[in-house]
Amino acid sequence: KQEVTQIPAALSVPEGENLVLNCSFTDSAIYNLQWFRQDPGKGLTSLLLIQSSQREQTSGRLNASLDKSSGRSTLYIAASQPGDSATYLCAVRWNFNKFYFGSGTKLNVKP
Amino acid sequence: EAQVTQNPRYLITVTGKKLTVTCSQNMNHEYMSWYRQDPGLGLRQIYYSMNVEVTDKGDVPEGYKVSRKEKRNFPLILESPSPNQTSLYFCASSLLRTNTGELFFGEGSRLTVL
Repeated sequence: KQEVTQIPAALSVPEGENLVLNCSFTDSAIYNLQWFRQDPGKGLTSLLLIQSSQREQTSGRLNASLDKSSGRSTLYIAASQPGDSATYLCAVRWNFNKFYFGSGTKLNVKP
Repeated sequence: EAQVTQNPRYLITVTGKKLTVTCSQNMNHEYMSWYRQDPGLGLRQIYYSMNVEVTDKGDVPEGYKVSRKEKRNFPLILESPSPNQTSLYFCASSLLRTNTGELFFGEGSRLTVL
């Protein structure tokens, strides 16, 4: 069964800390993995997409890595800011027709 | 600007009154999908479409209908809404190229059924 798990469900850190969010998945035969940010009551904003042939992607203070053999991806946020407070979701594409979502990590960055 | 547009963004209706939530994308994407998001249950797929006139059920299709008559539009139809369909709904689209096909989301439609 294909599943995506995100632990922890919630995380609270002081401003300025570097932090890592985790995403694990069953079955290493993925097409791609995508990280999203969701603010309360809002839509999902795509942060980074990692193709199956890639090991990492970077955008500004964000770096996402992919290790298919261990079924893991991490989202690294450098020098966190209060504006980074949101829920972060990862989604794995195993098939043409479906994206499998984790339940998300709710991040709170305290000023 | 590349985007997925949903309407209405907010809707309060009563049980049994048919409604349609529209979704339109301007990126020429083949794949479109509807999700609902509920607290504690995460995102669940309702229906998806691989191209014009090609639609299929997702995980929670009961009580919903869709159509794909044009590539850019993928409306979600609730023929007889019930209170358990109160939820936050998202439309999403993507290219069918599975490696590079990034999923783009609309802003969401919050539906309340009384």
